[in-house]
Amino acid sequence: EAAVTQSPRNKVAVTGGKVTLSCNQTNNHNNMYWYRQDTGHGLRLIHYSYGAGSTEKGDIPDGYKASRPSQENFSLILELATPSQTSVYFCASGWDWGDAEQFFGPGTRLTVL
Amino acid sequence: GQQVQQSPASLVLQEGENAELQCNFSTSLNSMQWFYQRPEGSLVSLFYNPSGTKQSGRLTSTTVIKERRSSLHISSSQITDSGTYLCAMERNNNNRIFFGDGTQLVVKP
Repeated sequence: EAAVTQSPRNKVAVTGGKVTLSCNQTNNHNNMYWYRQDTGHGLRLIHYSYGAGSTEKGDIPDGYKASRPSQENFSLILELATPSQTSVYFCASGWDWGDAEQFFGPGTRLTVL
Repeated sequence: GQQVQQSPASLVLQEGENAELQCNFSTSLNSMQWFYQRPEGSLVSLFYNPSGTKQSGRLTSTTVIKERRSSLHISSSQITDSGTYLCAMERNNNNRIFFGDGTQLVVKP
């Protein structure tokens, strides 16, 4: 069973502060994704990666950076957090999205005050 | 606008009843997937690249990519089926991924 872990699980940040969300996967998947989910809505893709050293912009990349230093780790960075970035963030990993099961982390609940 | 439209937005069933969830896509797509989000928030993949009809236990997915639609049939619903069912697509021209807002299902005893 593929394992995707996220840290922290909960985070309270102040407006203008820097926040780093971390994701680790142990199944050697090439692809990793960061999504956010706002209450009552589906997931929206922020950034994704095809492998170590690569990051690509998703549908809503503004205000976020991503880093993939290794096959296992994928981070989401909010340099200047804003209250509009309060949300639940999910990391996922998998092989080709169209042809393979995707595995999700448990989510990180971020509140920006 | 919404790339992925799901219907109904919510559904309440008595245990044992069947359900049909719909997903329609506004643009051409490479592939799609169905996901289940448990009431506590965790996400699991149900079906990926389900062209045609695929079945897993009491769940059946029927997808016609050319017609930009997919349906998920749940037979003999159980209380443990309660949660949110999400569909998502990989768009054809740029491989971006878009999710619908989900169908929230409640199964009552």
